[in-house]
Amino acid sequence: DAGVTQSPTHLIKTRGQQVTLRCSPISGHKSVSWYQQVLGQGPQFIFQYYEKEERGRGNFPDRFSARQFPNYSSELNVNALLLGDSALYLCASREYGATDTQYFGPGTRLTVL
Amino acid sequence: KQEVTQIPAALSVPEGENLVLNCSFTDSAIYNLQWFRQDPGKGLTSLLLIQSSQREQTSGRLNASLDKSSGRSTLYIAASQPGDSATYLCAVKAAGNQFYFGTGTSLTVIP
Repeated sequence: DAGVTQSPTHLIKTRGQQVTLRCSPISGHKSVSWYQQVLGQGPQFIFQYYEKEERGRGNFPDRFSARQFPNYSSELNVNALLLGDSALYLCASREYGATDTQYFGPGTRLTVL
Repeated sequence: KQEVTQIPAALSVPEGENLVLNCSFTDSAIYNLQWFRQDPGKGLTSLLLIQSSQREQTSGRLNASLDKSSGRSTLYIAASQPGDSATYLCAVKAAGNQFYFGTGTSLTVIP
């Protein structure tokens, strides 16, 4: 079975631009979460989606939005990029409920110039 | 607001040594605690998950304990190997499907 996949691997944008990051969960997993990890820090929770509905939201501005598709894949959108948005964006999938074990993808490295 | 702290921030040990990594959290109202490993520039690999009703979990050379009332968890690594070198992160699941991570402990095992 394939693990969690994310695309693209790396991305370079300039301030003010918009970016879309993509995530495909492990087959059978209906929950996807997004995290931002700034260099040297632990991941910060952004969103969780389950069955196409938002089930959790971290302390991020409205410039950050996400959605989940019927096939349970997900997109994270960030508008009006700031230098401080430069980070590794991680996606995690899990079976909602019982075990709660999260499985992470390799991440998308976003650099904002 | 939940805060998760990991001590020490960095640790260097000779191969074969047993070691303990610490994780503390400020709000004991958690659903579970999970330990991860992260290699440089990579995603996270789940090591162990402890439900709030459990006291410990074991997998191979790893043993994680949870004392919810005192807001503490430890990850014990037996007979460390150079391949164990990585950053170790703990994360708690809190109300509202919120997940909080610590800043990690960077472990180096010297051959």
